[in-house]
Amino acid sequence: DQQVKQNSPSLSVQEGRISILNCDYTNSMFDYFLWYKKYPAEGPTFLISISSIKDKNEDGRFTVFLNKSAKHLSLHIVPSQPGDSAVYFCAASGETSGSRLTFGEGTQLTVNP
Amino acid sequence: KAGVTQTPRYLIKTRGQQVTLSCSPISGHRSVSWYQQTPGQGLQFLFEYFSETQRNKGNFPGRFSGRQFSNSRSEMNVSTLELGDSALYLCASIGGGGSGANVLTFGAGSRLTVL
Repeated sequence: DQQVKQNSPSLSVQEGRISILNCDYTNSMFDYFLWYKKYPAEGPTFLISISSIKDKNEDGRFTVFLNKSAKHLSLHIVPSQPGDSAVYFCAASGETSGSRLTFGEGTQLTVNP
Repeated sequence: KAGVTQTPRYLIKTRGQQVTLSCSPISGHRSVSWYQQTPGQGLQFLFEYFSETQRNKGNFPGRFSGRQFSNSRSEMNVSTLELGDSALYLCASIGGGGSGANVLTFGAGSRLTVL
């Protein structure tokens, strides 16, 4: 049972344009969502998060949007840079899961110069 | 402040063997979680330890076990290795950024190959 899904295994965009990565979840008990970025041979690094009481959180070039009714969140990167090329994981947690995160399968973002 | 340290970074084992992986969390962090990453599967939760006690466990067979020491360092063990155990094993401790309680800081991982 995949409770967090990232339906696009890969995404390619041009430098300077917007990258939009999508994530869907099924568990209505999830109330906190995170995005992680992973480069090859490194561990995932935290990027941005959002609580279910919000619908938007912004940090520099990165913005996460949450649509609770659709159980959908997205990460927007504007403008995209070649250094953003990495695998992006969406993750979720709920009050009863403690620090346990449920991750999506990841989306490989490639930003072309 | 040193990050999460995992050893070894790479190792090769054969089927039927057992393996032990080590993780040192960020200084002062008392919770350690372990995840398995395989291609196309994302990160799958293995278990979490806090103050030497297993606090949460994922859906993995009993061949996967772990423990935590009084200095918060943790080890995980996989016995009777199978080909499907080939994966990147990631350790994380809580903290490192953001305002949420569940922001994990990951180590670089231990890449296990089972032949």
